[in-house]
Amino acid sequence: DQQVKQNSPSLSVQEGRISILNCDYTNSMFDYFLWYKKYPAEGPTFLISISSIKDKNEDGRFTVFLNKSAKHLSLHIVPSQPGDSAVYFCAASPYNFNKFYFGSGTKLNVKP
Amino acid sequence: GAVVSQHPSRVICKSGTSVKIECRSLDFQATTMFWYRQFPKQSLMLMATSNEGSKATYEQGVEKDKFLINHASLTLSTLTVTSAHPEDSSFYICSAQTLAGAPYEQYFGPGTRLTVT
Repeated sequence: DQQVKQNSPSLSVQEGRISILNCDYTNSMFDYFLWYKKYPAEGPTFLISISSIKDKNEDGRFTVFLNKSAKHLSLHIVPSQPGDSAVYFCAASPYNFNKFYFGSGTKLNVKP
Repeated sequence: GAVVSQHPSRVICKSGTSVKIECRSLDFQATTMFWYRQFPKQSLMLMATSNEGSKATYEQGVEKDKFLINHASLTLSTLTVTSAHPEDSSFYICSAQTLAGAPYEQYFGPGTRLTVT
């Protein structure tokens, strides 16, 4: 039973445009949501997070939006750059961060 | 930044043998380490959580006698796949948390590709 889902396995975007990566979850007890970025042959690296008490968190070109009623979050990257091309994982955690549940990832390709 | 290494990066073993995978935090003390498994095009599935000096907590459906986890020090955790079978072939990845960092942060190793023939 997958509690965090990323339904788009891949996304292709032109450089300079906006990339929107989506994530859905089923467990209303999740308290924290995170996005990780993964390059080939490397482990995922933390990108940005959001607490369940917020609906938006922004860090430079990256913004995460949370819609608790829809159990949906999204990551916006604007403007997209070729170096953003990677696999992006969405993850969720309860308040004590003793477990993390991951989506299956979305492979983003930013075309020059 | 915090660095986590895994060794080996790739391993091929014969069915019935055991394989040990090491996860090391290189520049910080890892109070908690997580072990994940990833099948192709699927999510990272948490297998177990280990805290230094105590027994690992396994997720439902993960056989603790098959996947032995040892967290002997604050910088090293090992996963041993015992009596490996072809269905154990997968990508295994560890991550580490530190009390010095934000509680939600975990630092991942690069992963180990296990192939059982």
